[in-house]
This record gives sequence, structure tokens and C-alpha cells, in this order.
Amino acid sequence: DVKVTQSSRYLVKRTGEKVFLECVQDMDHENMFWYRQDPGLGLRLIYFSYDVKMKEKGDIPEGYSVSREKKERFSLILESASTNQTSMYLCASSSSGGFENNEQFFGPGTRLTVL
Amino acid sequence: GENVEQHPSTLSVQEGDSAVIKCTYSDSASNYFPWYKQELGKGPQLIIDIRSNVGEKKDQRIAVTLNKTAKHFSLHITETQPEDSAVYFCAAPPRGYQKVTFGTGTKLQVIP
Repeated sequence: DVKVTQSSRYLVKRTGEKVFLECVQDMDHENMFWYRQDPGLGLRLIYFSYDVKMKEKGDIPEGYSVSREKKERFSLILESASTNQTSMYLCASSSSGGFENNEQFFGPGTRLTVL
Repeated sequence: GENVEQHPSTLSVQEGDSAVIKCTYSDSASNYFPWYKQELGKGPQLIIDIRSNVGEKKDQRIAVTLNKTAKHFSLHITETQPEDSAVYFCAAPPRGYQKVTFGTGTKLQVIP
């Protein structure tokens, strides 16, 4: 089974802190994604990566950056956390070949609270 | 970009009844329409998908229908059970783009 793991289930940080959210997948998938999930807004794409060291902005990249140094690992970075970044963050991965045919496998999520 | 609208946002049904969730999309180039189920405390998981050359697809108690002319697709769950209680998301990735757009989600509650 594909497994996507996220470093923390719950995280509490203070405004202005630098925050790292880590995601690891074990199925050699080329594509990896970071979403945030908020009530009434569904899943919104922050960033995605289709190869090592490659990244593309999603729909809401402001305030975030990402890093993909190894194929299995995709990190989301909040350079200076703000209260409006309090949310559930979901990582996902999929195999290559275009998004139209590829199932995305999600991690369990990290609930981040910024005080 | 793609715009996906999902309705209703919440749905309560009695156990054994049917549930229907509808999504509309904007990009006529979209040709693959997955549905994901998110149980409490877990990430979403694909439960069924449909491609543009098919009008309907069934898998036991769940089915998805697609109307490309009207640009909408629906998830149908029959004989609902308490374990069907979850949040359901539709999605529509436009052809040629790597971004995928999810609907806003439907929280389904099946009342025993």
C-alpha cells in the first residue's frame, strides 16, 4: 500500500516563527502536493512538485515556500507564521503521467495552530 | 483555471436511504472526474472516478454519473450505512494542466 506520512499530527506555533511541515512517501511517486483544508473552502493547492528540485505554485502560495531535495520528501515552509495560516495541511503524492489519470494518495494531515 | 462547485455542503440521510452529491465544473477540456472520501482524522481517499467517454460507472453501492454537455457530475450512494458518514470531495483536473481543483466538500451524515 502507498503510504504518505506527515511529520506531525498537531503543531502549535507562535506568530513569526518559521515552521517546517515534512511529508514522506514510500511509493517512488514523481508528483507531490501540499494543500490546506479549511471549513467551507475545501482543499486548496498551495504548491506542487513534479520532480526533484522542481516546484510549481498552486492557487494560494503566498506566505509559503517548499523544498524537494529528495524524491520521497516534500517540505512546506512557513517563513513567518501568521494566525491566518492556522489550518489543516494535507500532503499528497501521485505517479507521473498527468493529473487526469492519477489517483492522489493523501497523508493524515497536520493541524497547525498559530497563536 | 478550473472552477468546481459542489452541493450540498451538508447532507443528512436516514440509514438505508440514498444520498446524491452534485458538482459542476467550468473547463470543457476536463476529462477525468474523481471522488474522494475523507473519514474523520484521515486524509481523503479515492473511492470512484469516471472518464469523459463514459456516462455512468458503478461500484457496489456507489455510482458516478457524468453529463459533459451540462458540465456536471454526481455521486450516488444507495442503501447508506453509518460508515458512509464522511466528507466527500469531487475534483476536476483540466487536460494539459497539472493543477487539480477540488470541490468545497460535502459532509454526509447517515443517521442510524
